[in-house]
Amino acid sequence: NAGVTQTPKFQVLKTGQSMTLQCAQDMNHEYMSWYRQDPGMGLRLIHYSVGAGITDQGEVPNGYNVSRSTTEDFPLRLLSAAPSQTSVYFCASSGTGGRPEQFFGPGTRLTVL
Amino acid sequence: RKEVEQDPGPFNVPEGATVAFNCTYSNSASQSFFWYRQDCRKEPKLLMSVYSSGNEDGRFTAQLNRASQYISLLIRDSKLSDSATYLCVVAGGGATNKLIFGTGTLLAVQP
Repeated sequence: NAGVTQTPKFQVLKTGQSMTLQCAQDMNHEYMSWYRQDPGMGLRLIHYSVGAGITDQGEVPNGYNVSRSTTEDFPLRLLSAAPSQTSVYFCASSGTGGRPEQFFGPGTRLTVL
Repeated sequence: RKEVEQDPGPFNVPEGATVAFNCTYSNSASQSFFWYRQDCRKEPKLLMSVYSSGNEDGRFTAQLNRASQYISLLIRDSKLSDSATYLCVVAGGGATNKLIFGTGTLLAVQP
């Protein structure tokens, strides 16, 4: 029972590099989201999707792109990494029908030098 | 004012103690409320959903006061394994599933 999976678990980038954080879920959830978690800041929403082909910005979208070509996958792309993007990134998913509880992947720890 | 506010703690309690966490939220249109638990360097995990005035699950009781826009979590008979950060989470209202997270309350249960 995989739930929400994320790869990689750890990543170190140099400033200016680009990369894609992968997220997949096998629960047939319509809603998927990306958060970043920084000390003392709590979880902040980067982008979210309410279904395949539909994405929208969250609280802190700058520097990140997303796409949702399938229900299962919701990759997060860092276009040109900056040290301010050093953080822990969590992907989450939930069903619809009035039950917004979200289930989280194990996270990706990203360091940008 | 933050949308969801929690006392950051830490709460240091002995095993067997009862501890209560409080949380306030600013959006009166919010309909759904949750407590998540997050262990160090791990992902948040759903502990309890609160859809009415409150609910109970074993040693854990969550209560909701909509008039005061206040949610609480009570843990009875604390165990060492309860040591974690507890996140108060509010569904932001409206048609989406967007959740608003508090910054969390750190609990350390001492032997």
